[in-house]
Amino acid sequence: DQQVKQNSPSLSVQEGRISILNCDYTNSMFDYFLWYKKYPAEGPTFLISISSIKDKNEDGRFTVFLNKSAKHLSLHIVPSQPGDSAVYFCALTQGGSEKLVFGKGTKLTVNP
Amino acid sequence: KAGVTQTPRYLIKTRGQQVTLSCSPISGHRSVSWYQQTPGQGLQFLFEYFSETQRNKGNFPGRFSGRQFSNSRSEMNVSTLELGDSALYLCASSFDLGGIYEQYFGPGTRLTVT
Repeated sequence: DQQVKQNSPSLSVQEGRISILNCDYTNSMFDYFLWYKKYPAEGPTFLISISSIKDKNEDGRFTVFLNKSAKHLSLHIVPSQPGDSAVYFCALTQGGSEKLVFGKGTKLTVNP
Repeated sequence: KAGVTQTPRYLIKTRGQQVTLSCSPISGHRSVSWYQQTPGQGLQFLFEYFSETQRNKGNFPGRFSGRQFSNSRSEMNVSTLELGDSALYLCASSFDLGGIYEQYFGPGTRLTVT
């Protein structure tokens, strides 16, 4: 039973445009949400996070949006750059636990 | 500040053998978690150690075990290896401060079981 779903295995965008990556979850007990990006042969790199008491968090070109009623999380990258090409994972946790539940990832390709 | 380091980076073992993987967390981080990444199942949580105690455990068989030392370094052991244990094993560390749950990952150990 997949608690966290990233329904788009891949996404391709043009440099300078917006990239929107989505993540849906089923368990309303999740209360902290993170995004990681991963390059081949490297471990995931932390990007940005948001707690359930907020609905938006910004860090430079990256913005995470949380819609608790829809159990939906999204990551916006504006403007997208070729170096952003990587696999992006959403990861969720609950109750202060260090146990992260990951989505299967979305491979983003930013074309010059 | 140095990142999370994992050794070895690559490992080839035979079915039935056992293996030990090592992880050194970021200096000052007290929590160390282990994850398994496979193409079919994605990233799955194995277990987490804090102050030398296992605090959280995922749904993996008892062949998977770990420990943490007083300097926060951690080891993971897999006994009686099976072909399905071939995966990338990732270690992550965190400060474990209230309200902050970001984990920082090492590069992983690629284990191949033949």
